Amino acid sequence: QKEVEQNSGPLSVPEGAIASLNCTYSDRGSQSFFWYRQYSGKSPELIMSIYSNGDKEDGRFTAQLNKASQYVSLLIRDSQPSDSATYLCAVKWKGPGRRALTFGSGTRLQVQP
Amino acid sequence: DVKVTQSSRYLVKRTGEKVFLECVQDMDHENMFWYRQDPGLGLRLIYFSYDVKMKEKGDIPEGYSVSREKKERFSLILESASTNQTSMYLCASSGGVNQPQHFGDGTRLSIL
Repeated sequence: QKEVEQNSGPLSVPEGAIASLNCTYSDRGSQSFFWYRQYSGKSPELIMSIYSNGDKEDGRFTAQLNKASQYVSLLIRDSQPSDSATYLCAVKWKGPGRRALTFGSGTRLQVQP
Repeated sequence: DVKVTQSSRYLVKRTGEKVFLECVQDMDHENMFWYRQDPGLGLRLIYFSYDVKMKEKGDIPEGYSVSREKKERFSLILESASTNQTSMYLCASSGGVNQPQHFGDGTRLSIL
């Protein structure tokens, strides 16, 4: 059973701090990784995609991928109360068969004003 | 921007009814997906389709069927609705095999 693991939280950080969200996955051959943000009662929205080892930055968000250690993380700089949401990590397994993403259960982030 | 439209935001149906949830995407995406999301259980894949008239079962297909007669439209059917199918239903679409999925706004379905 291929799995994606996230700490459910809540992760609480003060406004202006860096929030660090982590995700581990079980299949070393995984090839595509995504972070989604989901506000309560809303649908997931894509924040970042990352496909190769290293860092990828987009505004206040940085995704970090380490395939050797099988983890992917999301850093949110200068956290704002509006960043309070559940963050879902999603992984695309390599090879035929499963075309859908596998999602972690999400980490709830709370940014305290 | 990708637009995935689900036909209803809220829906209330009775036990035993046949229920249709509709999803339309405007980006000519090959792949379309139906998930349900329940507190504590995360997103669970029901069915997906990778082409017109093509479908594959996901993790929890029991009690559901799907239809994809046109590329832009993917329908989820609850053959005989039961109370344990009360949930948030999310439709998504994606282009190539390694592309992200884009979600519709969701349908909150209540079965009474």
